[in-house]
Amino acid sequence: KQEVTQIPAALSVPEGENLVLNCSFTDSAIYNLQWFRQDPGKGLTSLLLIQSSQREQTSGRLNASLDKSSGRSTLYIAASQPGDSATYLCAVVSTGRRALTFGSGTRLQVQP
Amino acid sequence: GAVVSQHPSRVICKSGTSVKIECRSLDFQATTMFWYRQFPKKSLMLMATSNEGSKATYEQGVEKDKFLINHASLTLSTLTVTSAHPEDSSFYICSLPDTPRTDTQYFGPGTRLTVL
Repeated sequence: KQEVTQIPAALSVPEGENLVLNCSFTDSAIYNLQWFRQDPGKGLTSLLLIQSSQREQTSGRLNASLDKSSGRSTLYIAASQPGDSATYLCAVVSTGRRALTFGSGTRLQVQP
Repeated sequence: GAVVSQHPSRVICKSGTSVKIECRSLDFQATTMFWYRQFPKKSLMLMATSNEGSKATYEQGVEKDKFLINHASLTLSTLTVTSAHPEDSSFYICSLPDTPRTDTQYFGPGTRLTVL
Protein backbone atom coordinates (compact mmCIF):
# COMPACT_ATOMS: atom_id res chain seq x y z
CA LYS A 1 0.00 0.00 0.00
CA GLN A 2 1.39 3.37 -1.02
CA GLU A 3 2.19 5.77 1.81
CA VAL A 4 3.19 9.38 1.37
CA THR A 5 5.00 11.31 4.07
CA GLN A 6 5.76 15.00 4.22
CA ILE A 7 8.23 16.78 6.44
CA PRO A 8 8.23 19.13 8.13
CA ALA A 9 4.62 19.15 9.26
CA ALA A 10 4.83 22.89 9.87
CA LEU A 11 7.28 25.60 8.92
CA SER A 12 7.51 29.28 9.76
CA VAL A 13 9.97 31.50 7.91
CA PRO A 14 10.57 35.22 7.46
CA GLU A 15 9.62 36.77 4.16
CA GLY A 16 12.26 36.47 1.45
CA GLU A 17 13.70 33.15 2.51
CA ASN A 18 14.14 30.27 0.14
CA LEU A 19 12.70 27.04 1.48
CA VAL A 20 12.36 23.35 0.71
CA LEU A 21 9.46 21.07 1.45
CA ASN A 22 10.04 17.33 1.40
CA CYS A 23 7.87 14.46 0.30
CA SER A 24 8.62 10.75 0.32
CA PHE A 25 6.62 7.78 -0.93
CA THR A 26 7.06 4.09 -0.20
CA ASP A 27 6.26 2.56 -3.59
CA SER A 28 8.28 3.91 -6.52
CA ALA A 29 5.84 2.50 -9.10
CA ILE A 30 4.05 5.75 -9.83
CA TYR A 31 2.55 7.47 -12.86
CA ASN A 32 3.12 10.96 -11.56
CA LEU A 33 3.54 13.16 -8.53
CA GLN A 34 1.72 16.38 -7.91
CA TRP A 35 2.10 19.29 -5.52
CA PHE A 36 -0.98 21.17 -4.36
CA ARG A 37 -1.67 24.24 -2.31
CA GLN A 38 -4.62 24.41 0.07
CA ASP A 39 -5.72 27.57 1.82
CA PRO A 40 -7.65 27.20 5.10
CA GLY A 41 -11.15 25.90 4.53
CA LYS A 42 -10.66 25.87 0.78
CA GLY A 43 -10.18 23.33 -2.00
CA LEU A 44 -6.99 22.38 -3.77
CA THR A 45 -4.91 24.37 -6.22
CA SER A 46 -2.58 22.32 -8.40
CA LEU A 47 0.92 23.78 -8.45
CA LEU A 48 3.14 21.34 -10.32
CA LEU A 49 2.74 17.92 -11.92
CA ILE A 50 5.78 15.74 -12.56
CA GLN A 51 5.44 12.67 -14.74
CA SER A 52 7.32 9.56 -13.64
CA SER A 53 9.77 10.01 -16.53
CA GLN A 54 10.60 13.59 -15.56
CA ARG A 55 13.09 14.88 -13.02
CA GLU A 56 11.67 18.31 -12.30
CA GLN A 57 9.12 20.95 -13.16
CA THR A 58 9.24 24.69 -12.67
CA SER A 59 6.58 27.35 -12.42
CA GLY A 60 7.59 30.86 -11.45
CA ARG A 61 9.21 30.77 -8.02
CA LEU A 62 8.36 27.09 -7.58
CA ASN A 63 10.53 24.17 -8.56
CA ALA A 64 9.65 20.56 -7.87
CA SER A 65 12.04 17.66 -8.28
CA LEU A 66 11.38 13.95 -8.43
CA ASP A 67 13.71 11.05 -7.69
CA LYS A 68 11.46 8.12 -8.35
CA SER A 69 13.97 5.42 -7.53
CA SER A 70 14.52 6.75 -4.03
CA GLY A 71 10.88 7.71 -3.54
CA ARG A 72 11.48 11.39 -2.92
CA SER A 73 10.31 14.75 -4.14
CA THR A 74 11.09 18.27 -3.05
CA LEU A 75 9.26 21.51 -3.59
CA TYR A 76 11.54 24.53 -3.62
CA ILE A 77 10.00 27.94 -3.06
CA ALA A 78 12.24 30.89 -3.86
CA ALA A 79 11.97 34.29 -2.23
CA SER A 80 8.98 33.37 -0.10
CA GLN A 81 6.15 35.86 0.37
CA PRO A 82 3.36 36.13 2.98
CA GLY A 83 0.93 35.14 0.24
CA ASP A 84 2.66 31.77 0.05
CA SER A 85 1.27 30.91 3.49
CA ALA A 86 -0.87 27.81 3.07
CA THR A 87 -0.74 24.05 3.43
CA TYR A 88 1.23 22.27 0.73
CA LEU A 89 0.21 18.75 -0.17
CA CYS A 90 2.18 16.17 -2.10
CA ALA A 91 0.28 13.37 -3.85
CA VAL A 92 1.10 10.46 -6.14
CA VAL A 93 -0.81 8.34 -8.60
CA SER A 94 0.46 4.80 -8.24
CA THR A 95 0.74 2.37 -11.10
CA GLY A 96 -2.50 0.46 -11.47
CA ARG A 97 -4.54 3.10 -9.69
CA ARG A 98 -6.17 6.28 -10.84
CA ALA A 99 -6.81 8.08 -7.58
CA LEU A 100 -4.26 10.13 -5.70
CA THR A 101 -2.57 9.17 -2.46
CA PHE A 102 -1.89 12.29 -0.44
CA GLY A 103 0.71 13.16 2.15
CA SER A 104 -0.31 14.81 5.38
CA GLY A 105 0.88 18.22 4.22
CA THR A 106 3.27 20.93 5.34
CA ARG A 107 1.68 24.00 6.90
CA LEU A 108 3.74 27.00 5.82
CA GLN A 109 3.65 30.40 7.46
CA VAL A 110 5.66 33.21 5.89
CA GLN A 111 6.11 36.10 8.30
CA PRO A 112 6.09 39.61 6.83
CA GLY B 1 -9.40 22.84 -18.58
CA ALA B 2 -12.26 21.05 -16.91
CA VAL B 3 -14.34 22.78 -14.35
CA VAL B 4 -15.80 20.79 -11.52
CA SER B 5 -18.57 22.11 -9.32
CA GLN B 6 -19.83 20.85 -5.99
CA HIS B 7 -23.07 21.65 -4.29
CA PRO B 8 -23.62 22.63 -1.59
CA SER B 9 -20.38 24.30 -0.57
CA ARG B 10 -21.36 24.18 3.07
CA VAL B 11 -24.04 22.32 4.97
CA ILE B 12 -24.98 22.11 8.62
CA CYS B 13 -27.40 19.40 9.66
CA LYS B 14 -28.75 17.66 12.71
CA SER B 15 -27.54 14.25 13.73
CA GLY B 16 -29.54 11.48 12.09
CA THR B 17 -30.38 13.30 8.90
CA SER B 18 -29.08 12.45 5.43
CA VAL B 19 -27.12 14.86 3.31
CA LYS B 20 -26.59 14.71 -0.44
CA ILE B 21 -23.53 16.27 -2.06
CA GLU B 22 -23.36 16.73 -5.82
CA CYS B 23 -20.24 16.72 -7.94
CA ARG B 24 -20.72 17.95 -11.47
CA SER B 25 -18.35 18.05 -14.42
CA LEU B 26 -19.03 21.15 -16.49
CA ASP B 27 -16.59 20.61 -19.33
CA PHE B 28 -16.33 16.97 -20.23
CA GLN B 29 -17.88 13.60 -19.62
CA ALA B 30 -16.40 11.56 -16.82
CA THR B 31 -16.88 7.82 -16.51
CA THR B 32 -14.96 7.91 -13.24
CA MET B 33 -15.04 10.33 -10.35
CA PHE B 34 -13.27 10.14 -7.01
CA TRP B 35 -14.58 11.13 -3.60
CA TYR B 36 -12.14 12.19 -0.89
CA ARG B 37 -12.67 13.42 2.65
CA GLN B 38 -10.47 15.52 4.82
CA PHE B 39 -10.78 15.71 8.60
CA PRO B 40 -9.63 18.93 10.30
CA LYS B 41 -5.90 19.42 9.96
CA LYS B 42 -5.53 16.07 8.24
CA SER B 43 -4.80 15.13 4.68
CA LEU B 44 -7.21 13.94 2.03
CA MET B 45 -8.16 10.29 2.08
CA LEU B 46 -9.80 8.52 -0.82
CA MET B 47 -13.24 7.24 0.14
CA ALA B 48 -14.50 5.69 -3.05
CA THR B 49 -14.34 5.60 -6.81
CA SER B 50 -17.59 6.43 -8.55
CA ASN B 51 -18.17 4.58 -11.82
CA GLU B 52 -20.80 5.67 -14.32
CA GLY B 53 -23.37 2.96 -14.84
CA SER B 54 -21.99 0.58 -12.23
CA LYS B 55 -21.40 0.26 -8.52
CA ALA B 56 -18.91 2.44 -6.74
CA THR B 57 -15.69 0.96 -5.40
CA TYR B 58 -15.10 1.76 -1.74
CA GLU B 59 -11.79 1.97 0.08
CA GLN B 60 -11.16 -0.25 3.04
CA GLY B 61 -12.88 1.04 6.15
CA VAL B 62 -15.47 3.14 4.33
CA GLU B 63 -19.03 1.94 4.90
CA LYS B 64 -20.82 1.66 1.58
CA ASP B 65 -24.25 1.67 3.25
CA LYS B 66 -23.46 4.90 5.02
CA PHE B 67 -21.87 6.73 2.10
CA LEU B 68 -24.10 6.09 -0.88
CA ILE B 69 -22.63 7.00 -4.24
CA ASN B 70 -24.65 7.33 -7.40
CA HIS B 71 -22.98 8.09 -10.73
CA ALA B 72 -26.17 8.54 -12.68
CA SER B 73 -24.73 10.31 -15.71
CA LEU B 74 -21.39 11.14 -17.29
CA THR B 75 -21.44 14.58 -15.70
CA LEU B 76 -22.89 13.98 -12.25
CA SER B 77 -21.94 11.93 -9.22
CA THR B 78 -23.66 12.24 -5.86
CA LEU B 79 -22.49 11.28 -2.39
CA THR B 80 -25.18 10.82 0.22
CA VAL B 81 -24.15 10.67 3.85
CA THR B 82 -26.93 8.68 5.48
CA SER B 83 -27.91 9.11 9.13
CA ALA B 84 -25.11 11.58 9.63
CA HIS B 85 -23.38 11.80 12.99
CA PRO B 86 -20.94 14.40 14.37
CA GLU B 87 -17.98 12.16 13.50
CA ASP B 88 -18.98 12.50 9.82
CA SER B 89 -18.24 16.21 9.98
CA SER B 90 -15.55 16.69 7.40
CA PHE B 91 -14.55 18.35 4.14
CA TYR B 92 -15.66 16.28 1.16
CA ILE B 93 -13.97 16.82 -2.21
CA CYS B 94 -14.58 15.16 -5.55
CA SER B 95 -12.18 14.91 -8.45
CA LEU B 96 -12.23 13.87 -12.09
CA PRO B 97 -9.28 12.31 -13.88
CA ASP B 98 -8.53 14.04 -17.16
CA THR B 99 -7.42 11.08 -19.24
CA PRO B 100 -7.23 7.34 -18.84
CA ARG B 101 -3.59 7.83 -17.84
CA THR B 102 -4.63 10.34 -15.14
CA ASP B 103 -2.18 12.97 -16.29
CA THR B 104 -4.27 15.52 -14.49
CA GLN B 105 -7.07 15.47 -11.99
CA TYR B 106 -9.54 18.27 -11.60
CA PHE B 107 -10.83 18.91 -8.11
CA GLY B 108 -14.11 20.37 -7.01
CA PRO B 109 -14.11 23.23 -4.50
CA GLY B 110 -15.24 20.93 -1.71
CA THR B 111 -18.22 20.67 0.63
CA ARG B 112 -17.90 21.42 4.33
CA LEU B 113 -20.27 19.19 6.30
CA THR B 114 -20.98 19.95 9.94
CA VAL B 115 -23.21 17.57 11.83
CA LEU B 116 -24.56 18.90 15.11
